[in-house]
Amino acid sequence: GAVVSQHPSRVICKSGTSVKIECRSLDFQATTMFWYRQFPKKSLMLMATSNEGSKATYEQGVEKDKFLINHASLTLSTLTVTSAHPEDSSFYICSAPGPGGGTEAFFGQGTRLTVV
Amino acid sequence: QKEVEQDPGPLSVPEGAIVSLNCTYSNSAFQYFMWYRQYSRKGPELLMYTYSSGNKEDGRFTAQVDKSSKYISLFIRDSQPSDSATYLCAMKYSGGSNYKLTFGKGTLLTVNP
Repeated sequence: GAVVSQHPSRVICKSGTSVKIECRSLDFQATTMFWYRQFPKKSLMLMATSNEGSKATYEQGVEKDKFLINHASLTLSTLTVTSAHPEDSSFYICSAPGPGGGTEAFFGQGTRLTVV
Repeated sequence: QKEVEQDPGPLSVPEGAIVSLNCTYSNSAFQYFMWYRQYSRKGPELLMYTYSSGNKEDGRFTAQVDKSSKYISLFIRDSQPSDSATYLCAMKYSGGSNYKLTFGKGTLLTVNP
């Protein structure tokens, strides 16, 4: 299947700093990517839809100024958590539809963010 | 009522057992149904994907969709310790460019050697 690479897999940062997470589609182009947040024993919560060349679409209740999304190319989307607080600590996962706009979604490895 | 309901478990079975995982949903507009496996601290990986009602088999895994009952299942035969993971059901609407998936909470499965 298609491969989506997410980096870093784990990051620890201090409160008030910003953290950037990268999501890359390998060997295929993704005009759309999705960013999820996952709490322990909870389902994946869609945060936003990243669109190449245009603004991201945020889900209700997600602060767009806090979670900045940039989809600058057909293979790269980034999520920046700005002015991080301990409550932002979570598992963040990106995904992309398969090559050719397939129905299946392929996920990155996830990023464990810990804000201290 | 949530759109997708999935018993979070945990579910513990002996090696070799047949495992049955299930999800129910409320929105009849869902047309595509998927099962993902997620190991601890990893992203989900696609296991099975079906469209509309019916069965699909892939090795030890069988996915079933019953749209009349709004019920989907994943069966794992001859379960192995390496199958120990969280299994997430997911589904999406048909049509357009809407790739958004709606997930269940996931069921934590442990297969004991």
